[in-house]
Amino acid sequence: ETGVTQTPRHLVMGMTNKKSLKCEQHLGHNAMYWYKQSAKKPLELMFVYSLEERVENNSVPSRFSPECPNSSHLFLHLHTLQPEDSALYLCASSQRGRQGSGQQYFGPGTRLTVT
Amino acid sequence: AQKVTQAQTEISVVEKEDVTLDCVYETRDTTYYLFWYKQPPSGELVFLIRRNSFDEQNEISGRYSWNFQKSTSSFNFTITASQVVDSAVYFCALSSYRGAQKLVFGQGTRLTINP
Repeated sequence: ETGVTQTPRHLVMGMTNKKSLKCEQHLGHNAMYWYKQSAKKPLELMFVYSLEERVENNSVPSRFSPECPNSSHLFLHLHTLQPEDSALYLCASSQRGRQGSGQQYFGPGTRLTVT
Repeated sequence: AQKVTQAQTEISVVEKEDVTLDCVYETRDTTYYLFWYKQPPSGELVFLIRRNSFDEQNEISGRYSWNFQKSTSSFNFTITASQVVDSAVYFCALSSYRGAQKLVFGQGTRLTINP
């Protein structure tokens, strides 16, 4: 299943670097999500975009900056990260509204290590 | 606030045994969705089932079955005749019926099926 793709799959970056994670969905959905999965916490929602508008920012530090240029693409720009930001970052998409089922489809994730 | 609790952190059984994964949730919404996802070692979250809060009928899909009991706020998942390929982390999740439909996940249960 390649409905939601994420690149890169693995990323190692220093604390002073700037990098971006990319997510693309091929399902015609109108909402996209970023989640963080770290070893010591359950899956945490970071951002929600609906119709390319950010509708949820779950108290995420400003060193994470999302961008949604269109309904198929979602980016997560990273800068001056901390070692505790090392985690698996998962992207998801869904169809919101009356025709939506509430089901989110997930990508394979980007394993981020901050050194 | 919404909350999902998976009290079993890890379960280990021998192949062909039946195993039940517990999920208890809290929500003030009258309508909501419940989900189970599987996360194999590859990292991608694989959708297993979605249940609407107004549909309490239990469901069976092959070796998988789900028991939804609104009275006890539980949505348990049973694997019958387990197989080694069932080894994974399983997440129970809850979302609102309306709005951002953001998923709230439990901590996950790591299931190991031994040959």
